Amino acid sequence: AQKVTQAQTEISVVEKEDVTLDCVYETRDTTYYLFWYKQPPSGELVFLIRRNSFDEQNEISGRYSWNFQKSTSSFNFTITASQVVDSAVYFCALSEAQAGTALIFGKGTTLSVSS
Amino acid sequence: GAVVSQHPSRVICKSGTSVKIECRSLDFQATTMFWYRQFPKKSLMLMATSNEGSKATYEQGVEKDKFLINHASLTLSTLTVTSAHPEDSSFYICSARDAKPNYGYTFGSGTRLTVV
Repeated sequence: AQKVTQAQTEISVVEKEDVTLDCVYETRDTTYYLFWYKQPPSGELVFLIRRNSFDEQNEISGRYSWNFQKSTSSFNFTITASQVVDSAVYFCALSEAQAGTALIFGKGTTLSVSS
Repeated sequence: GAVVSQHPSRVICKSGTSVKIECRSLDFQATTMFWYRQFPKKSLMLMATSNEGSKATYEQGVEKDKFLINHASLTLSTLTVTSAHPEDSSFYICSARDAKPNYGYTFGSGTRLTVV
């Protein structure tokens, strides 16, 4: 069975601090996709990144970066120089590659950035 | 990019009535749509998977007769909460995956249901 664990329930930081959100996953599939979504108070899910299981390269997008390590089944997300607008709930999610399969979400990490 | 339109965004209904939530893929064909439910400060829990032209597949613990899902076309799936009760109050969000398997998931903006 697939499972996504986000051990950090809530994180509070002060603006300009770097913060890393942890994500550990379990799957028996050799081909799968990993995702990160941001959910602001409005409720909409904002797509941040998708990574397939064959691509272990780390990715950087502005202040965001992701570290994918298959050896530890982790897909961690780092925000550099955090800002108040980064305050939201962040979800890590996993899906099989097969069409028709749903995304399985972790429990989410609530990030609060204060000024 | 792919867009999924979900309506209504908010609905308040009286206990015992039924509420229908629509989810439309606007610029792609969605052979499969997913319905999630989210309680306050909780994760998104998959309720069911709907496939166009066939019966939905419900997750364990989800009442099929209470949460009716219809996926009559490649662009429309509906979730009807029947005989709603206050405990059905929640945030419901749909998701569609394009027919091409390498595409990602597109989410609707969600529906906040309050049953009074």
